[in-house]
Amino acid sequence: NAGVTQTPKFRILKIGQSMTLQCTQDMNHNYMYWYRQDPGMGLKLIYYSVGAGITDKGEVPNGYNVSRSTTEDFPLRLELAAPSQTSVYFCASSLAAFSYEQYFGPGTRLTVT
Amino acid sequence: RKEVEQDPGPFNVPEGATVAFNCTYSNSASQSFFWYRQDCRKEPKLLMSVYSSGNEDGRFTAQLNRASQYISLLIRDSKLSDSATYLCVVNAFSGGYNKLIFGAGTRLAVHP
Repeated sequence: NAGVTQTPKFRILKIGQSMTLQCTQDMNHNYMYWYRQDPGMGLKLIYYSVGAGITDKGEVPNGYNVSRSTTEDFPLRLELAAPSQTSVYFCASSLAAFSYEQYFGPGTRLTVT
Repeated sequence: RKEVEQDPGPFNVPEGATVAFNCTYSNSASQSFFWYRQDCRKEPKLLMSVYSSGNEDGRFTAQLNRASQYISLLIRDSKLSDSATYLCVVNAFSGGYNKLIFGAGTRLAVHP
């Protein structure tokens, strides 16, 4: 039981490039989330999904897109990377609604230069 | 005012000390409260949920004061392995959905 896995662990992008951050969970959780964590700040919700085929915007969705074709996978797409997207990105999942325990992946450290 | 506020620390304490962290939240309708632990350059992990009556898990005690919108975490007999950042987390209904709001965290450094 691997829990929540994320790839890659680290990435450096040039301004204007695009990339996809992968997230997979093997706990059969319906709810999945993408957060970003900037130094000295709390985690900010980018997008979330309540099940396959259903996604919605969180607090800071601009510059990102998501899809949820299966229960297990929830990739985050960055289009036209900007320096403001330099951050640590965490994917998380939970069995039910937001009030339940969330299980986090190990994170992706992204630098945009 | 931030939705969840915490003292960033760091709290530098010797092994065996008792240390307390405080957290305030702004949304009086919040119903669920948690403390998460985050080790350096790692992901957050749930430490404990916080119940209205207060709850204890070994050396850790969490308290909730709804009237003051205040949550606390007490760590007794601190260990070196307790060194981490402790995140106060509160749920709130905002922007059309129920979400978890994470505080920026309080850093604890336990030294020999």
